[in-house]
Parts: sequence; C-alpha cells; structure tokens
Amino acid sequence: AQSVSQHNHHVILSEAASLELGCNYSYGGTVNLFWYVQYPGQHLQLLLKYFSGDPLVKGIKGFEAEFIKSKFSFNLRKPSVQWSDTAEYFCAVNSNYQLIWGAGTKLIIKP
Amino acid sequence: DSGVTQTPKHLITATGQRVTLRCSPRSGDLSVYWYQQSLDQGLQFLIQYYNGEERAKGNILERFSAQQFPDLHSELNLSSLELGDSALYFCASSLGQGRSVDEQFFGPGTRLTVL
Repeated sequence: AQSVSQHNHHVILSEAASLELGCNYSYGGTVNLFWYVQYPGQHLQLLLKYFSGDPLVKGIKGFEAEFIKSKFSFNLRKPSVQWSDTAEYFCAVNSNYQLIWGAGTKLIIKP
Repeated sequence: DSGVTQTPKHLITATGQRVTLRCSPRSGDLSVYWYQQSLDQGLQFLIQYYNGEERAKGNILERFSAQQFPDLHSELNLSSLELGDSALYFCASSLGQGRSVDEQFFGPGTRLTVL
C-alpha cells in the first residue's frame, strides 16, 4: 500500500532562512501530490498540488515543490521564510480515491 | 473560509456517551471526508462518502459510523466514547469526480473532549 514519509517532524528556522521539507512516497505510477498547511488554531488549507506537467509547482505564499519521479519525492521549498510561516505542513499522495497523508512537519520560525 | 462548515465547534461529553458531528460540504462538492487529528496519532483518515455512497474507509473504529444524506451533508456518529477519542475531527469536501483525487477543502473542525 502507498505510504508517505515526512522525515522531519520538527524544524526550527530563523526568519529569512531557506526552507526545504522532505516528502517521499512509496510507489510509483501516476500520482497526484499535495502539500497542505495548518496554521495554529486553523484548518488545513492547500499550499500547492501536482497532477501532471511541469514538475516544479508554484503555490501560494511563495512556496514551491519539485516532483522528482525517480526519487519518489515531492519536497517543499521556500527561499526565505517569515515568522508567519510557523505552521504544520502535511504532504499527501492519492491512492484509491483517498489521500494518504504524511505525519506532518511542525515548522517554527524564530523572529 | 473554505466553504465547508462543521457543527458544533466544541463538544464536551463523558465516557460511554454518543455524539453526532455534522458537516456541510462546499456547494457543488459531492465527496465528504472525515478525519481525526490527535496529538499522538496525527491526521488519520476515517471515511469518505461520494454522492451518498461510502467510497473509501480508513482507520475508522467500529464504534464510529457515518452517512451522507441526499442534500450531501454528512454526519459522523461516535458511540461508546472513550478518553482516547478526544481529538479534533475534520470534515473535508471535494468534487470527487473520476479516479483522481481532487483538492480537498477542509472545515474548521469539531474539538471533542471526552471526560
């Protein structure tokens, strides 16, 4: 069965630092990939998604992710983080009508 | 605002009790998903309904059940509640067309506390 790994459970960065959060899924074929974000006290919202085409996907708030099929990866990046990016980030992959979710990465940005 | 509504926002109840959580999907969305989010288990997919029919099942306990009504709103019923059922319960909706999974839009959640 499909599984999703987010290797970093907690990440602490200073403002203006660059960010990369890892996401790997377990098997290939056609996949749809998502990154969701949950700000403190709020519901999950979509950051970006990949269905097909250009493997470099741009999302909201300056985030981007790169789909690397050979590595089964879909890492999330942002060149310069802000304090307001403090949140929990979830990677998800589709499988049989449902999304398989990673465990999430808690990101804390120090002002 | 995602367009998905959930009621109630908070629910406090005792062990052994039964509660019902309600979700209204975004206008036009046919699929409803239920998730449980707790500190120790993270985000767990419970169940999905598409246009009134059960489409997929995740880690849903036998004490829990759900349904989707003709007007597409959904209810999640939790019975014989245990302390460990305390969690945030999210509902999400999507168009749910075809085999690909569309973007899911999440509601604000219901925080359940079992005392």
